Amino acid sequence: EVQLVQSGAEVKKPGESLKISCKGSGYSFTSDWIGWVRQMPGKGLEWVGIINPGDSETSYSPSFQGQVTISADKSISTAYLQWNSLKASDTAIYYCGRGKWWFDPWGQGTRVTVSS
Amino acid sequence: QSALTQPASVSGSPGQSIIISCTGTSGDVGRFNLVAWYQQYPGKAPKLMIHEVSKRPSGVSNRFSGSKSGNTASLTISGLQAEDEADYYCSSYTSSLTLLFGGGTKLTVL
Repeated sequence: EVQLVQSGAEVKKPGESLKISCKGSGYSFTSDWIGWVRQMPGKGLEWVGIINPGDSETSYSPSFQGQVTISADKSISTAYLQWNSLKASDTAIYYCGRGKWWFDPWGQGTRVTVSS
Repeated sequence: QSALTQPASVSGSPGQSIIISCTGTSGDVGRFNLVAWYQQYPGKAPKLMIHEVSKRPSGVSNRFSGSKSGNTASLTISGLQAEDEADYYCSSYTSSLTLLFGGGTKLTVL
């Protein structure tokens, strides 16, 4: 079974750094892209960006370029989304998904709460 | 980039058919056959229902179908069932080499 399992919920203060993960199993991790999607409380889905775990090529939404970093470690079949300095407006659920321009399956989501 | 335009809500009775529209531009929906549809229950991760405008992943009911005309894509759910009540999102690849989502549509089964 193809599965993406994400790291657990995080509570952070503004200005702190954070790296969340997405581990793939049941398929060749380097055979497909991984994407990240944000869902703010009570709102819709927003595309953050994608990574090719095979060569670490990335593409970002202009809205998130420079605000986050997407990376991957193919040796452990894991993709990451990280922030150097969190803001309260980063509070959201972040999902990873397998694919480049559509996602299937999705991880269960990681809830990130940024509050002083 | 603005989100693709979806109706905020649609409703239908069990057994009926409903259509959810997703309107973009000639730079996204109208140009590429890379439209997808997702179903999301409250508190759950989205699930892929349709990709590449009209292709259904294995395991998705054939009551769900997708189509496109011009700059508007559509998701049709036939034989509406109570379990179809959820939020639905469309997405499209764009000429800016990015992915755009719709604002989401809440489906209510009366």
